[in-house]
Amino acid sequence: AQTVTQSQPEMSVQEAETVTLSCTYDTSESDYYLFWYKQPPSRQMILVIRQEAYKQQNATENRFSVNFQKAAKSFSLKISDSQLGDAAMYFCACTLVGGSYQLTFGKGTKLSVIP
Amino acid sequence: DTGVSQDPRHKITKRGQNVTFRCDPISEHNRLYWYRQTLGQGPEFLTYFQNEAQLEKSRLLSDRFSAERPKGSFSTLEIQRTEQGDSAMYLCASSLRQGGFSGNTIYFGEGSWLTVV
Repeated sequence: AQTVTQSQPEMSVQEAETVTLSCTYDTSESDYYLFWYKQPPSRQMILVIRQEAYKQQNATENRFSVNFQKAAKSFSLKISDSQLGDAAMYFCACTLVGGSYQLTFGKGTKLSVIP
Repeated sequence: DTGVSQDPRHKITKRGQNVTFRCDPISEHNRLYWYRQTLGQGPEFLTYFQNEAQLEKSRLLSDRFSAERPKGSFSTLEIQRTEQGDSAMYLCASSLRQGGFSGNTIYFGEGSWLTVV
């Protein structure tokens, strides 16, 4: 079974600044995917970025990028040029390849953006 | 494509009553998932379907919980004899599994809030 740990219950960032959200995970499998999901106050979970474990290159999506350290089982999310609309709960998640594709989530980090 | 839709969005029920939630996935998606999310926690996997087959249900919280997906389209999640501890948001999600590639994006609905009083 996988476990996902987010050690920062809350974070804040000034608008236009950069913030990094931390995530560590544990799995005995070698083939898996990692995700960051955003859940705004409207509550719909939205995929921000995903990383395949077999890829060494860190994923990027516009202002969002990850730092994937496979040996350390670390998967942090960096948000550059933070915007007010980035304020939300951010969840780190993991799933195994080839199975049911069910997601195991961390407890989340609440990000506030200060104007 | 209207996304994953869930109904009702909010439900208040008395303890001991039965409740049913409906989920309509994205039309071409063959996989459908149910998760539960309590305050301050991340979503917790409950069950999933591939087409009409329920392939994983061991994570349903008790025998009071059941899910169906007749004809592989919409799904229902029923909770019988509700308890106050069932108060949570119930999230539905869907994805498309094509051939041997299962690494597809999972799309979530807005959730159904349940309050048991």
